[in-house]
Amino acid sequence: KTQVEQSPQSLVVRQGENCVLQCNYSVTPDNHLRWFKQDTGKGLVSLTVLVDQKDKTSNGRYSATLDKDAKHSTLHITATLLDDTATYICVVGDRGSALGRLHFGAGTQLIVIP
Amino acid sequence: DMKVTQMPRYLIKRMGENVLLECGQDMSHETMYWYRQDPGLGLQLIYISYDVDSNSEGDIPKGYRVSRKKREHFSLILDSAKTNQTSVYFCASSPRLGGSQNTLYFGAGTRLSVL
Repeated sequence: KTQVEQSPQSLVVRQGENCVLQCNYSVTPDNHLRWFKQDTGKGLVSLTVLVDQKDKTSNGRYSATLDKDAKHSTLHITATLLDDTATYICVVGDRGSALGRLHFGAGTQLIVIP
Repeated sequence: DMKVTQMPRYLIKRMGENVLLECGQDMSHETMYWYRQDPGLGLQLIYISYDVDSNSEGDIPKGYRVSRKKREHFSLILDSAKTNQTSVYFCASSPRLGGSQNTLYFGAGTRLSVL
């Protein structure tokens, strides 16, 4: 059973536009949530990690929110660039200890066009 | 330079052949992982290694085995490859296991086709 659901599956935006990616999960317990960027043919690169019950982070043009009550996270990309074209993957860690496991979403494929 | 290196990047094998995927990291990380990525699915954990000769099955270990004889090197072996093992395989490493501060560093992946 899929415990991390991402939407939309794919998204096309014009360069300069803003976009929002969604992540809903059922993982319990939910210790932290991390967003990764995966360029085509490359490995995953961490963008940000959210930890608190209601958390917000910012990393340049990327900002993210987490609401553990709703088990929901968003990734906002402001003023998109062509280089933002990638798959964005939401990952939930279920513990903060050595027993912790990571639960991966299938990703949202973002395409930025000129 | 923090890097996880996977070799080869692309591999084509026939069903029944043995496959060796290699992974190296230059960060002296204790923990290393092998995942596979299939279309429409999240990454699935095959094996995890806590350190040299200390390995544990992940969620989908059947048909795979691993070897870690040096901290910086972690191999994934497929004995008698099957067509359903066609996938993209990712190696990752992290300083330790678990926790929000323990980010994973991923290699670029090996695309394996089993014909």
